[in-house]
Amino acid sequence: KAGVTQTPRYLIKTRGQQVTLSCSPISGHRSVSWYQQTPGQGLQFLFEYFSETQRNKGNFPGRFSGRQFSNSRSEMNVSTLELGDSALYLCASSLHQGEGDTEAFFGQGTRLTVV
Amino acid sequence: AQSVAQPEDQVNVAEGNPLTVKCTYSVSGNPYLFWYVQYPNRGLQFLLKYITGDNLVKGSYGFEAEFNKSQTSFHLKKPSALVSDSALYFCAVRDMYNFNKFYFGSGTKLNVKP
Repeated sequence: KAGVTQTPRYLIKTRGQQVTLSCSPISGHRSVSWYQQTPGQGLQFLFEYFSETQRNKGNFPGRFSGRQFSNSRSEMNVSTLELGDSALYLCASSLHQGEGDTEAFFGQGTRLTVV
Repeated sequence: AQSVAQPEDQVNVAEGNPLTVKCTYSVSGNPYLFWYVQYPNRGLQFLLKYITGDNLVKGSYGFEAEFNKSQTSFHLKKPSALVSDSALYFCAVRDMYNFNKFYFGSGTKLNVKP
């Protein structure tokens, strides 16, 4: 069974540009969450999608957005990139929403560097 | 609000010795607690979870964790450390109302020396 796939693995962008990251969850998983990992702030929740609807959102500016498609694949977009957006972006998939004992499975992440 | 704390940035242990990575939690209600491991330039790998039941939880790669309600702790343990266990370990608690939202600790770097 394939795991969570994130593309691309590495990305270098210039300040002011926008970027789109992709996440394909484990087959059958309908929930996709995104996290930002930085040395200073650690792992921070960005948002969660379930059945093409955003269910939860973290404390990030509106420049960070996402969407989920009918096949559960998700994309996140960051517009007007800033140097501080440089981070490892992790995607996690879960089987259900509302099942407390279900663990999340993480992808390998996309390393975004903003120059 | 839920949160977890990992008081140690780094833990050093010799190969073959037991290891403990500490985690304390703060939740309202019953906690759903998790441990994940991260190797360099990789995502997070699930190790184990506590939902309910036995206070000693066994997980992957010989790891186990002890849930202690009175001390609000969920320490990760392994009887005999391996060099290959060297990695970054994260404790996490699940949001009480949004089950696909985790709050992570700051991480503990485990160094196992041969």
